[in-house]
Amino acid sequence: KQEVTQIPAALSVPEGENLVLNCSFTDSAIYNLQWFRQDPGKGLTSLLLIQSSQREQTSGRLNASLDKSSGRSTLYIAASQPGDSATYLCAVRRSGGGADGLTFGKGTHLIIQP
Amino acid sequence: NAGVMQNPRHLVRRRGQEARLRCSPMKGHSHVYWYRQLPEEGLKFMVYLQKENIIDESGMPKERFSAEFPKEGPSILRIQQVVRGDSAAYFCASSPPGGRYDTQYFGPGTRLTVL
Repeated sequence: KQEVTQIPAALSVPEGENLVLNCSFTDSAIYNLQWFRQDPGKGLTSLLLIQSSQREQTSGRLNASLDKSSGRSTLYIAASQPGDSATYLCAVRRSGGGADGLTFGKGTHLIIQP
Repeated sequence: NAGVMQNPRHLVRRRGQEARLRCSPMKGHSHVYWYRQLPEEGLKFMVYLQKENIIDESGMPKERFSAEFPKEGPSILRIQQVVRGDSAAYFCASSPPGGRYDTQYFGPGTRLTVL
C-alpha cells in the first residue's frame, strides 16, 4: 500500500527566505509525482508535475526534485513571499496494481511572515 | 479555457437524504476523478471515470455511494441516505486523454454538511 509522508507538518519563516519542503513515499512504482498548493477553503492548484523518468521540474521560484529509487521528493521555494502562505500537498500516481488515483500526503502548512 | 467546475459549492443535507454533486471537467478532458477530504485528514481517492466507464472505484465506500460520467453532461457523485460521517469536502479533478501521465486539475470542491 502506497503511503506518502510530508515533513514538516507546519513551517513558519520570515519573508525572503529560501525553504525546502519534503515528501517521501513508500512504493517507488509510480507514474509521476505532483505538487499542489491549497488555500483555506479552496481547491487545489497544481504547481509541478514530475514524471517518474525525470529528476526535477522548475516553474518560476519553485523547483521540485524527484529521487524515485529512495522514494523522496523536495519542493524548493526561493525568495519566499507572504502570498506563498498555503498548505502544500505532495501526491503520487501509482503504477502497477492498486488504486488508480493520486495518493496524497497530509501536507505542509506554510506561513510566510511579512 | 474554464477550469474544472463543481456545483454546488456548499450543500447541506439532513441525515437520510440524498446528495448529488456535479463536476464538469475542463474542455477537452475525458478523465474524471473524485476525492474526499475529511476534516483533519488528507485527500483520499474515491473513483476514476472516463466517459460512460468506471475505470477504478476501489476508493468508494461499498454502500450508498455511486458515480457516473455520462456521454453528455457532467460527472455525478451520488450519496444516498447521508450520515454525519459523510460531511467532508468532495473534490473533482480532470485530466487530458493522456490519463495516467498527465496533470490532474482540481475543481474548487463541494463542501457537504450533514445535519
